[in-house]
Amino acid sequence: AQSVTQLGSHVSVSEGALVLLRCNYSSSVPPYLFWYVQYPNQGLQLLLKYTSAATLVKGINGFEAEFKKSETSFHLTKPSAHMSDAAEYFCAVSAGGFKTIFGAGTRLFVKA
Amino acid sequence: DGGITQSPKYLFRKEGQNVTLSCEQNLNHDAMYWYRQDPGQGLRLIYYSQIVNDFQKGDIAEGYSVSREKKESFPLTVTSAQKNPTAFYLCASKGLAGGFTDTQYFGPGTRLTVL
Repeated sequence: AQSVTQLGSHVSVSEGALVLLRCNYSSSVPPYLFWYVQYPNQGLQLLLKYTSAATLVKGINGFEAEFKKSETSFHLTKPSAHMSDAAEYFCAVSAGGFKTIFGAGTRLFVKA
Repeated sequence: DGGITQSPKYLFRKEGQNVTLSCEQNLNHDAMYWYRQDPGQGLRLIYYSQIVNDFQKGDIAEGYSVSREKKESFPLTVTSAQKNPTAFYLCASKGLAGGFTDTQYFGPGTRLTVL
């Protein structure tokens, strides 16, 4: 079975500071991992995905994530936060079949 | 432009009423999904469908029903048996050519409120 744990339901950073959103996964087979972003009252939009081609994945809006098998982690980072990054972020895992398992989400606040 | 549309954006239901949420996609995707989103609980899978005229229950199917008569459409009915239907509902679709590495694309959501 697959599962995803996002550490921290809320993260607050200052504008210009590093953004780090943590995600750990559990999977009995090689996983495929995703990060999505959701703005208020909207659907989810794909930020990036890992499909085993490269462990460091670059996405949209300056975000990137690194797959670390030994740590079963797929943390999302951005070097410098912008006010427009304030949103909810979801980590997800797909490991066979047609289902994708989503984490509970981390809400990012950006302070001016 | 290709994408997923959901309607209505806001829906109000009285106690004992059935309501139907619409989901249409023009991405030519085979698989479609319905999720329920509650604050702090992430996304929970209600139903999913891999092909026309076939669908499977997800983790929280009780009180909901679906149909898949056309590839483009996957409506969700929230029945009176669903005791706590107030939530944000998201529809998604996925192509299956790439297997489970394919990305799920989401619609804009429908917010359902019980009066």
